[in-house]
Amino acid sequence: DTGVSQNPRHKITKRGQNVTFRCDPISEHNRLYWYRQTLGQGPEFLTYFQNEAQLEKSRLLSDRFSAERPKGSFSTLEIQRTEQGDSAMYLCASSLQTGGNTEAFFGQGTRLTVV
Amino acid sequence: GDSVTQMEGPVTLSEEAFLTINCTYTATGYPSLFWYVQYPGEGLQLLLKATKADDKGSNKGFEATYRKETTSFHLEKGSVQVSDSAVYFCALSDRSGNTGKLIFGQGTTLQVKP
Repeated sequence: DTGVSQNPRHKITKRGQNVTFRCDPISEHNRLYWYRQTLGQGPEFLTYFQNEAQLEKSRLLSDRFSAERPKGSFSTLEIQRTEQGDSAMYLCASSLQTGGNTEAFFGQGTRLTVV
Repeated sequence: GDSVTQMEGPVTLSEEAFLTINCTYTATGYPSLFWYVQYPGEGLQLLLKATKADDKGSNKGFEATYRKETTSFHLEKGSVQVSDSAVYFCALSDRSGNTGKLIFGQGTTLQVKP
């Protein structure tokens, strides 16, 4: 297993277009998280899944954003009608939730540029 | 809500100098505390963690002690190397909600010069 994989690594899109990112977590991990990181800031939580259930969504996740994890394995994050303010690094992380102790493993991220 | 505040960077040090990066937190519950590191072109990696008051996390010569009385988790290293140049993020996870979601500080860039 090579860790958390995200595709694409970079995406440039025109304002108003839809984009979709994919995250493949570490195979036995039951939790999957999406974060957004803008330049000079720390990652901000967007949403997370336990298996296929989406359990929490941040207020940052407007209705233009949707995330799925259909079979409890990979996840997709779609942004509809992109805006310039959506330009950021989108990070995915996964963890194996056992009791109270978890370590999240991060992918390298997808850098989105909206022009 | 819960939050994490880190000292602003960049921090520039000479090789073998002593490093401290300050981190303080605000939390309503009893969080676990973490330091993550992001090397150029790579993803975030867990550097160390502490899950309760007075615990000390350590890894690769870095240490941080969970201080509940001062709500702090400062990162220290006795002798930095050029290879330690990276961005360091302090983070917390509220264990009471059991979500595992992380709240990060804004990051501190460390540059170590030979």
